[in-house]
Amino acid sequence: ETGVTQSPTHLIKTRGQQVTLRCSSQSGHNTVSWYQQALGQGPQFIFQYYREEENGRGNFPPRFSGLQFPNYSSELNVNALELDDSALYLCASSWTPPDEQYFGPGTRLTVT
Amino acid sequence: GIQVEQSPPDLILQEGANSTLRCNFSDSVNNLQWFHQNPWGQLINLFYIPSGTKQNGRLSATTVATERYSLLYISSSQTTDSGVYFCAVLPTQGGSEKLVFGKGTKLTVNP
Repeated sequence: ETGVTQSPTHLIKTRGQQVTLRCSSQSGHNTVSWYQQALGQGPQFIFQYYREEENGRGNFPPRFSGLQFPNYSSELNVNALELDDSALYLCASSWTPPDEQYFGPGTRLTVT
Repeated sequence: GIQVEQSPPDLILQEGANSTLRCNFSDSVNNLQWFHQNPWGQLINLFYIPSGTKQNGRLSATTVATERYSLLYISSSQTTDSGVYFCAVLPTQGGSEKLVFGKGTKLTVNP
C-alpha cells in the first residue's frame, strides 16, 4: 500500500510569483485535504476535496486554489505569493469524511 | 470555532520516564487524532480515538468525549520519542471536513 506522497520537497519562490504543489493520495482514498503549517504552530486547514469537488474551505484568500483529479491526486495553487506564505504545506488523504486522515511528508515553501 | 488546547507546551524527560500529554477541546467532535511530528515535518499517525482507550506498544490514549478531553500516555520514553505531539479534532458543528489542531506539546527525551 502506497502512502501519501507530495512534490516537490522544497521550493523557493519570489514574492508575486505563482506556485503549484502536488499530492498523491494513499491507495484507496478519495478525499484530500491541504493544510498550512507556519513555524512553531499547528497545521491550519486550507481546503478539502472529495470526489473532485471542494468540500470545505478554511480562512484562506481566493489566491489559494486547488484541484482534484479523477485518480484522486490533488494540486494546491497559490497566486501572488506573499512573504507570509512561507510555510510547510501538508496534504492528507482519507477514505470519506470524517475518516482518519493520513499525512504526506510536506512541501516546504520559502518566499523571498 | 472550536478551541483545542494542549498541555504542557514543553516537556523534558530523562530516558525511561513516563509522561502524560493532555488535549482539551471546547465543543463536541466526530473524530480525534494524535500525531507525532518528526524533525523533518512528517506527521505520523499515533491514534484515531474519538472515544475510549487504545494502546499501541509503549503508547496509549484515552478520550472522554463527554468531558471533552483526551490523554496520551508515553511509558518508558526513548530518545526517538522526541518531537512535537499534536492533538487534532474534527468538530461536529460546521461540517465534518477539517481537522482543527492544537499548538502541540514539544517533548525532549534526554539520554
